[in-house]
This record gives sequence, structure tokens and C-alpha cells, in this order.
Amino acid sequence: NAGVTQTPKFRVLKTGQSMTLLCAQDMNHEYMYWYRQDPGMGLRLIHYSVGEGTTAKGEVPDGYNVSRLKKQNFLLGLESAAPSQTSVYFCASSWTDRPNYGYTFGSGTRLTVV
Amino acid sequence: AQSVTQPDIHITVSEGASLELRCNYSYGATPYLFWYVQSPGQGLQLLLKYFSGDTLVQGIKGFEAEFKRSQSSFNLRKPSVHWSDAAEYFCAVAERFSGGYNKLIFGAGTRLAVHP
Repeated sequence: NAGVTQTPKFRVLKTGQSMTLLCAQDMNHEYMYWYRQDPGMGLRLIHYSVGEGTTAKGEVPDGYNVSRLKKQNFLLGLESAAPSQTSVYFCASSWTDRPNYGYTFGSGTRLTVV
Repeated sequence: AQSVTQPDIHITVSEGASLELRCNYSYGATPYLFWYVQSPGQGLQLLLKYFSGDTLVQGIKGFEAEFKRSQSSFNLRKPSVHWSDAAEYFCAVAERFSGGYNKLIFGAGTRLAVHP
């Protein structure tokens, strides 16, 4: 089925460890986004990409890095995980950034940092 | 910057009862508004959207929402709730940010529980 696939679905990290979350879409979308979801705060944009090879910071970029080497993949990296990064991470994509279109979301990655 | 407020964190309704979830936004011009639903363990699914025209918009799963400019509101409604509607609901508004690109600003969400 076409859509957005996130791996892994769950992960537990120790403080200071690093990891990469992978987002893959097969809809040939130009725009991709990483959000984090925290209770009572909704979804907040971490980083986004408007095309292959381009990335930019969102609302809460500190402690994260991203790469978009291939159009279909958008990677989110945590170089040194902190407990404050315990969250559910969602990737989304869109073929346009025109606001009358919505996004297609992945099913999320639940990350716990202990 | 734009913002979205969902005043109700949790709502519980009985199956078959009507539902209204509140959403208020702050934006100077005509906003682009969305409602998404997140079922347990799932990603977000678009229920409906508004960007112009008729202020009452119909969505999937029997949901509708009404845009009221005078109240800066975009409330979600359903006349008869089903147990499968239990989920978290997010209101969102599109905002243009630096670089000229748009992004979605989400409210904090309303968690809906449905009693049999």
C-alpha cells in the first residue's frame, strides 16, 4: 500500500546513545516533515524538507539532525539522546506545500530515553 | 504566529449521542483549517479541511465542521457517535513561515472516549 512508513516503531535508548529514525514514502512527494508529539502539546515541527538534498529547521530543532539524500527518504538523527527527547515521532509528507492540501502521516515511532 | 486552541483535553460521550469538539484559532486572514484523527497506535488521518467557500464542510466517517469567522472557531461535529470514534482529534491551521513554505500548526488535541 502506498503511504509513509516509519522504522522502528518502538525504541528504548539510554541517555547519550545515538539513533536514526527512518521515514520512507512511495508517493513521490517533494515535501517531508518530522514532528514530535507530547501530551498536552499536540504536534510540533522538528525539521522539514522541501526536496531532495534540502532540509530546514522547524519549531523545535535542537538536539536533532536530518538528511534527505534520496527523495523518498527523510532521516531524523539523535546524536546524544536525552530524557527530554522521550516522545512519539511522526513523519509526514505532501506533494505540495499549498495549504489547502493536507499531509500523509506515518504511524509513528515511540521513543523512550532512560 | 498563528495558534490553535482545543479547550477540551478529554471528552466522554455515550454511543449514539451527538458530539462537538471545539477548536479556536488565531489568524488575521482567511485560514486554512484541518481536523485530523489519531486512533490508538496509528498515525494521523485527515478528516476534513476548510479553505474557502461553504462554511460547513463534510468529511469522512460522518463528521462535519463549521467555520465561523466571527468566533474564530472551527468546531467538529457528529450527530451520532460510534464506539469506533474513540480516538484523539487534532485541529490544525496552515501557516506560512520563513522561506515561503507552509506548515501545519496543531492544537494540543482532544481525547474522545465513548461509553457503550
